[in-house]
Amino acid sequence: GQQLNQSPQSMFIQEGEDVSMNCTSSSIFNTWLWYKQDPGEGPVLLIALYKAGELTSNGRLTAQFGITRKDSFLNISASIPSDVGIYFCAGREIIQGAQKLVFGQGTRLTINP
Amino acid sequence: GAVVSQHPSRVICKSGTSVKIECRSLDFQATTMFWYRQFPKQSLMLMATSNEGSKATYEQGVEKDKFLINHASLTLSTLTVTSAHPEDSSFYICSASRQGNNSPLHFGNGTRLTVT
Repeated sequence: GQQLNQSPQSMFIQEGEDVSMNCTSSSIFNTWLWYKQDPGEGPVLLIALYKAGELTSNGRLTAQFGITRKDSFLNISASIPSDVGIYFCAGREIIQGAQKLVFGQGTRLTINP
Repeated sequence: GAVVSQHPSRVICKSGTSVKIECRSLDFQATTMFWYRQFPKQSLMLMATSNEGSKATYEQGVEKDKFLINHASLTLSTLTVTSAHPEDSSFYICSASRQGNNSPLHFGNGTRLTVT
């Protein structure tokens, strides 16, 4: 099925560093979502973006919905050990009244203390 | 707190048996729920859309007779993996959203299925 292009695929950083990841798509989405998944668990919603150009923060996390509606980025400032995990972007489309999520490949974040 | 509950979290079964996984929306009614499958170190792939009171909609390549979906109430959808084989071993995750197109999807904690 359709996928978003998410990069980078993995990141190895030092604690305290800032992190940036992004997703691009050839299709327009009306909503962009960012999730974090810990091992053996389901994804947890971090930020939801509903309008092109929207910039939204959730604590140390900031995400933006690109003006073209084909991209989004997620920034994490001053990383801490609990930020370790896999981050997924997701674009939501409404098809015949039903919503579907298309996921990026994920960004695996590893933090060295 | 969690808004979508999934059970069991882990199950081990023998080849040829069937396994049922439950997905519940905890404090809202969900006319639509979604079932995903995730292989190790890969992204989530949508298997099917579960519709309350009607047949599920399956994605291309997903066998509907293999993965039976029942959405009998507004808070419960079940996925039954029938005649399981080792290649069905995977992480299965359900999701649901509150009513309204702007409500984001929330996910259950997933079920790790191992078929021996």
